[in-house]
Amino acid sequence: AQKITQTQPGMFVQEKEAVTLDCTYDTSDPSYGLFWYKQPSSGEMIFLIYQGSYDQQNATEGRYSLNFQKARKSANLVISASQLGDSAMYFCAMREGWDTGNQFYFGTGTSLTVIP
Amino acid sequence: GAGVSQSPRYKVTKRGQDVALRCDPISGHVSLYWYRQALGQGPEFLTYFNYEAQQDKSGLPNDRFSAERPEGSISTLTIQRTEQRDSAMYRCASSPLEGTSSGANVLTFGAGSRLTVL
Repeated sequence: AQKITQTQPGMFVQEKEAVTLDCTYDTSDPSYGLFWYKQPSSGEMIFLIYQGSYDQQNATEGRYSLNFQKARKSANLVISASQLGDSAMYFCAMREGWDTGNQFYFGTGTSLTVIP
Repeated sequence: GAGVSQSPRYKVTKRGQDVALRCDPISGHVSLYWYRQALGQGPEFLTYFNYEAQQDKSGLPNDRFSAERPEGSISTLTIQRTEQRDSAMYRCASSPLEGTSSGANVLTFGAGSRLTVL
């Protein structure tokens, strides 16, 4: 089974609108971390936001927020007020705990295009 | 150093040659990961280290691939007898060794080494 599933290969959003990028994960480890990374066309991997499995509140970082639904094992990224510079690939990732190997898994990514 | 440094940035080699890709992690970062990324795809795990110990090498495609981190800092990924299918971006990332639920255990990536096998 895939550890991280991103079901949206490509998404389009109008500038200044909000967009949600989906991510589901699979783990039996009670302790894990969830991450989102942005990869623009330049190729660098940019860390955006983090959510710990024990965190009670959804994480927020500026225009980014993580909609964490633990029972559903989903960790969707919400980008508010989209900007042209948000056009990029977005990767969801999970880090498992020590007992399960402390492995760091990535999804296949979602390509986001912001339309002026 | 201030960031994760990888060298060479670009490597073109002929099929059958050996290549060595180097990664210098952020100073003090204990965990070091190697990934391979094809165009338009997510990073594919290869192997990772805590200090000098290789914790997991299950992602290495075959025995032509090996990695080491002898002093717990710089790491080298070696591909022997390269084949055209090895062409890809090879990315290194490092992180502190914090608890899994700590927000400090973010992976910081290097710029990558683009390998082309002719």
